[in-house]
Amino acid sequence: DGGITQSPKYLFRKEGQNVTLSCEQNLNHDAMYWYRQDPGQGLRLIYYSQIVNDFQKGDIAEGYSVSREKKESFPLTVTSAQKNPTAFYLCASSDRVGANSPLHFGNGTRLTVT
Amino acid sequence: QKEVEQNSGPLSVPEGAIASLNCTYSDRVSQSFFWYRQYSGKSPELIMSIYSNGDKEDGRFTAQLNKASQYVSLLIRDSQPSDSATYLCAVNIFRGSQGNLIFGKGTKLSVKP
Repeated sequence: DGGITQSPKYLFRKEGQNVTLSCEQNLNHDAMYWYRQDPGQGLRLIYYSQIVNDFQKGDIAEGYSVSREKKESFPLTVTSAQKNPTAFYLCASSDRVGANSPLHFGNGTRLTVT
Repeated sequence: QKEVEQNSGPLSVPEGAIASLNCTYSDRVSQSFFWYRQYSGKSPELIMSIYSNGDKEDGRFTAQLNKASQYVSLLIRDSQPSDSATYLCAVNIFRGSQGNLIFGKGTKLSVKP
């Protein structure tokens, strides 16, 4: 089945540690995205990528980094510079970045930093 | 004005009733509008997309778009307890030359048996 796989489902880290969230898709989609969701909040865009080796900052990129070395993979690193990293992180993909392409989401990673 | 606004709810309706969810957006040139359903603790799933003014029906769901009023709504007919979830409105918002999907905060729907 085609889809988006995020791992792990739950992640616990100590404050000051960097952590990398995995996202893999086999939908052959060009565009991939990372969103963050806090309780009672909508989704906020962290980074997105239209093609391999290219990515753009979203609304809340500070304290995060990404890479896009392969079409299928778009890992997100939460660095120690991110002040409030505890959240639900969602990876998504679409045919392309553009007007008519809906997003398809992975199952999410719930990150807790203490 | 926020880019995409929804009433947070909770919206409570009895089983079998029509649930009406509303969303307004700020970008007059937006062309794509989506409704996602998100169960507690789960990721959003796409339930409707609409691109033209008017109504679009899919089973018990109807999306309504009025670009002049910058308003999009979702009607759920014959509501079921399994429809209880948070419904997210997403709109393609252009900032400069680039458009990205911007999400509202969601409306929590509760369908009472």
